[in-house]
Amino acid sequence: QKEVEQDPGPLSVPEGAIVSLNCTYSNSAFQYFMWYRQYSRKGPELLMYTYSSGNKEDGRFTAQVDKSSKYISLFIRDSQPSDSATYLCAMKAGGFKTIFGAGTRLFVKA
Amino acid sequence: DAGVTQSPTHLIKTRGQQVTLRCSPKSGHDTVSWYQQALGQGPQFIFQYYEEEERQRGNFPDRFSGHQFPNYSSELNVNALLLGDSALYLCASLDGPNSNQPQHFGDGTRLSIL
Repeated sequence: QKEVEQDPGPLSVPEGAIVSLNCTYSNSAFQYFMWYRQYSRKGPELLMYTYSSGNKEDGRFTAQVDKSSKYISLFIRDSQPSDSATYLCAMKAGGFKTIFGAGTRLFVKA
Repeated sequence: DAGVTQSPTHLIKTRGQQVTLRCSPKSGHDTVSWYQQALGQGPQFIFQYYEEEERQRGNFPDRFSGHQFPNYSSELNVNALLLGDSALYLCASLDGPNSNQPQHFGDGTRLSIL
């Protein structure tokens, strides 16, 4: 079993839809949770960064962490074609290495 | 403020050859990590360098080695290249090995093995 599980998709939605992306994990020591966006032939770009459980909102993006269920989510409101990319969840425990999910490919159709 | 820069952007090698990839960390960062990202997969941790020493290592063979210079820049070396080494190699930087801040990534070097 992988430490971090993420559905690779692809996920296709119409413009303006609310997108929900999710990851589950098995290591209860993870404390720091991140979402990265990666466009084709580019490096990962940090979108959201949260510590422990709770919600964090930044513009159209909301990150949720439920440590009791070992489940994290990223919501994108009013999705745009420019949001079409691969979304990677990532997490780490303290100063240890960051573990990534496989990434979910998202397509937003105009 | 310069972000993480990597060179070259693309390399083509043949099996058995050796390759060196280069990374300059974000300004103010002194810790560099290298990742391998195969097509359709998430990045896999190779190793981390701080104070010119390897601090952590992922599940990669000894064919993968690295170096960090006094100016914090880093190199990734891969010997005896295999077809399976074809991937995007990403460099990420941090302000200290125990930093709880998220890493900043470069755009990677795409390595193709023929």
